Amino acid sequence: EVQLVESGGGLVQPGGSLRLSCAASGFTFSSYWMHWVRQAPGKGLVWVSRIKSDESSTNYADSVKGRFTISRDNGKNTLYLQMNSLRAEDTAVYYCARTRIAVRDAFDIWGQGTMVTVSS
Amino acid sequence: DIVMTQSPDSLAVSLGERATIDCKSSQSLLYSSNNKDYLAWYQQKPGQPPKLLIYWASTRESGVPDRFSGSGSGTDFTLTISSLQAEDVAVYYCQQYYSTPMTFGQGTRLEIK
Repeated sequence: EVQLVESGGGLVQPGGSLRLSCAASGFTFSSYWMHWVRQAPGKGLVWVSRIKSDESSTNYADSVKGRFTISRDNGKNTLYLQMNSLRAEDTAVYYCARTRIAVRDAFDIWGQGTMVTVSS
Repeated sequence: DIVMTQSPDSLAVSLGERATIDCKSSQSLLYSSNNKDYLAWYQQKPGQPPKLLIYWASTRESGVPDRFSGSGSGTDFTLTISSLQAEDVAVYYCQQYYSTPMTFGQGTRLEIK
């Protein structure tokens, strides 16, 4: 079964750090671009970041640039999001998602999400 | 950034009736070299992740019922549910993947009348 499973969320104080993980299974992880998308409570979907299949290219939303770092370990079939200098407005469910086929393509597989709460 | 605007924000439709959601982009999503529109539609039910329904503006994802259809090109797109079923109650999002940031519309909440 094709599956993405996020972990690493939790409660963190403003200014703190957290690393999210997304474990992939059931497909050739190293062949796909991967993304992080977040959703604040009761709000819509916001794209956060993406990474190329071989980790040679990354992109970020302006709101997280310089604070978040996307990475992957193709040997472990795992995607990561290192989040530093966290702010209250980063509070959200964070989803990892797979790009369907091409570099610019829809997101066909999504994880169940992991909740990040930034609060003192 | 490309801004995606959906209308309406919420919609109530009777069972068996047609539901239509519009999505407008601030710039064309049509890539001239392959004549494809870089537009997707997702369905999100409470407590669940989004589910891909439509990509390339009108191609139905495998396993998606044929009552769901997408149309439009350039900057104006529509998601149509031909005969609303109870299980279609959800929030629907359009998304452009033409360029980063890959922006989503604000969502349309679909309910049963």
